[in-house]
Amino acid sequence: AQSVTQPDIHITVSEGASLELRCNYSYGATPYLFWYVQSPGQGLQLLLKYFSGDTLVQGIKGFEAEFKRSQSSFNLRKPSVHWSDAAEYFCAVGSSGNQFYFGTGTSLTVIP
Amino acid sequence: DGGITQSPKYLFRKEGQNVTLSCEQNLNHDAMYWYRQDPGQGLRLIYYSQIVNDFQKGDIAEGYSVSREKKESFPLTVTSAQKNPTAFYLCASSMVGGRQPQHFGDGTRLSIL
Repeated sequence: AQSVTQPDIHITVSEGASLELRCNYSYGATPYLFWYVQSPGQGLQLLLKYFSGDTLVQGIKGFEAEFKRSQSSFNLRKPSVHWSDAAEYFCAVGSSGNQFYFGTGTSLTVIP
Repeated sequence: DGGITQSPKYLFRKEGQNVTLSCEQNLNHDAMYWYRQDPGQGLRLIYYSQIVNDFQKGDIAEGYSVSREKKESFPLTVTSAQKNPTAFYLCASSMVGGRQPQHFGDGTRLSIL
C-alpha cells in the first residue's frame, strides 16, 4: 500500500540557517512525488514535483528536493531559511489512479 | 486568474443540521477532491471525482455526500450523521493522471455551535 512518512512533526531553525525536511514513501512503482507548503488558514501551495529524470529538482521560493530511490526518500532542502518560510510542509505521493497520499506534515518555526 | 474558490471561509453547524460546502474551479480540470484536515493528521480523502456524474469514496466518506453535476463544481454536504464535523475542509482539482499536481482552494473551517 502507498504511504508517506514525515518523521519530524516540528522543526525549529534560525533565520539564515539551512533546512532539510525528511520524507519517506512506500510505493510499488515509480513514484510521483510532491512537496506542498501551507500557511495558517490557507490551502496548500505546490513547491515542487518529481516524476523522473534528474533526481535533484528545483522548486519555487528557493526550495529543492532530492529523490533517492535506494532510501525511498524525497527530502526537501533550502540553503538559507527566511522568516516567511515558517509554515506547515507536506510531502505527497501520487498514484496512477489519481489519488494522492499525504504525509502528516512538518511544522517549521523560524527564529530570528 | 484561474483557480479554486471555496465558500464560505467559515461555517457553523447546529446539531442535526446538514451543511453544504461549495467548491468551484475554472482550471478546466477533470478531477476534483475533498479532504478533511485535523491537527496532526495531515489530509484525509473524503471523496473524489474524475468525471462529471461520477465520484468515489475516499478513506473517510461516512457522514458526507457529494455531487458532480458540472465539471466546474463539486459541493460537499456534511450530514447530521457526521458526529465530529469540526475540521478544516480543503477542495482540490487536477488533470487526470497520477503525475498531475493537485491545486487547492483556501479551505472552509467548519465548527459546531
